[in-house]
Amino acid sequence: DAEITQSPRHKITETGRQVTLACHQTWNHNNMFWYRQDLGHGLRLIHYSYGVQDTNKGEVSDGYSVSRSNTEDLPLTLESAASSQTSVYFCASTSGNTGELFFGEGSRLTVL
Amino acid sequence: GENVEQHPSTLSVQEGDSAVIKCTYSDSASNYFPWYKQELGKGPQLIIDIRSNVGEKKDQRIAVTLNKTAKHFSLHITETQPEDSAVYFCAARINTGGFKTIFGAGTRLFVKA
Repeated sequence: DAEITQSPRHKITETGRQVTLACHQTWNHNNMFWYRQDLGHGLRLIHYSYGVQDTNKGEVSDGYSVSRSNTEDLPLTLESAASSQTSVYFCASTSGNTGELFFGEGSRLTVL
Repeated sequence: GENVEQHPSTLSVQEGDSAVIKCTYSDSASNYFPWYKQELGKGPQLIIDIRSNVGEKKDQRIAVTLNKTAKHFSLHITETQPEDSAVYFCAARINTGGFKTIFGAGTRLFVKA
C-alpha cells in the first residue's frame, strides 16, 4: 500500500544545531506540505511544494527550509534550532484531485 | 491570507449525545472545507468534506453544514460514542490558488461513557 513516512519520530537536539526531518511518500503525489502542531495553534503551514524544484513559504516559514529534488521526498531543515521550534511536525501530501491531505505519523522535536 | 477560527477548543459530552463544532473563515474565495480527526499519537485523517456549491453533507453519524454568506461551517456528530473522542480540525482551501490548506486550532472532544 502507498504511504507517507516521517523520520525520525522523536528527536532531541540542542539550540543552534542543524536538524533535518525526512518525509517520504509513495503515492507519487506532486503536492507536499509541512505543518507544525502546537497547543492552541492547531496545524500551521511551514513550507509546501507543488512539484520537483518548486518550494513555497507558508505561514510560519522563518528558520525553516525545504528542498524538492524528486517527487517522493520533501525534507524539512532547521538551520539553527531554537527552543521555539520545539513542536510536533507533520508532513502531508495530496494529488489535488480530491482535496484530501494524507498525513504522516508526525515527528516530535525537542530543542533544549 | 486565509484565517480559520474554530470553537470550542474543548468539548465534553455524554455518550449518545450530539456534538457540534463551529468554524469561520475569512477568505470568500475559499471553496473547499474538509474536517480531519486526529487520534492520540497519529496524524490527522479526513472524515468528511464539503464544497462551496453544497450547503450540507451527511455520512452516517457525521454531517457538515456550510453557510457561505456568513462564512460559517460546522461539524455535527450524532449519537456520540467513546471512539469519537479525538481532536477535530476544520480547514479551508482555495482551489484556484493551489492546494494550500489552512487549519483551525482544533477541538478536543471527550465522549464520556
